[in-house]
Amino acid sequence: SQQGEEDPQALSIQEGENATMNCSYKTSINNLQWYRQNSGRGLVHLILIRSNEREKHSGRLRVTLDTSKKSSSLLITASRAADTASYFCATVSRGGGNKLTFGTGTQLKVEL
Amino acid sequence: NAGVTQTPKFQVLKTGQSMTLQCAQDMNHEYMSWYRQDPGMGLRLIHYSVGAGITDQGEVPNGYNVSRSTTEDFPLRLLSAAPSQTSVYFCASSYSVGARLDTQYFGPGTRLTVL
Repeated sequence: SQQGEEDPQALSIQEGENATMNCSYKTSINNLQWYRQNSGRGLVHLILIRSNEREKHSGRLRVTLDTSKKSSSLLITASRAADTASYFCATVSRGGGNKLTFGTGTQLKVEL
Repeated sequence: NAGVTQTPKFQVLKTGQSMTLQCAQDMNHEYMSWYRQDPGMGLRLIHYSVGAGITDQGEVPNGYNVSRSTTEDFPLRLLSAAPSQTSVYFCASSYSVGARLDTQYFGPGTRLTVL
């Protein structure tokens, strides 16, 4: 079963706008990770946030984590056409080590 | 470093045939895993390994076998292919294991069609 569910399933924005994707999960976690997948390619790790962290930044990416609501958000600022991809959250559950469980993903399209 | 490599890139099988999907990594990672990706389903874990000689089942292990005789290689065997196994298969590896499982490095994938 899927641990994470991303929202929205699809998002279309103009270049320069910000894109926000949300992830909800079901069980307590050790960490939550975000990945990007360009069409037909393997996944690329973007950022990891641990359960004791609330916010993390990496370049134009900002990730927040609210363990009380079992949710995370990924913000991409000043989006570019090259950001067009699918974005997945994945969790390592507390007590469920050695397994990374992925959500169903958000398809982001950034138009010129 | 080549990272994580997978062969073949594409494969067409007939129902009942068997085959092995190859995965290799040159980063000396202890953790390796196999996922399948179906449209609208995200990635689902098939099998994983935390070191040579140690494997365990993931979410969807039925119809697949794995072994880990070396740190570098983690092949996935389809015993008797079925149309339901039509999917894109990804291999991944990671330095850390257990509760500290972190960044996964993915291979480029194998697109498998079972007729």
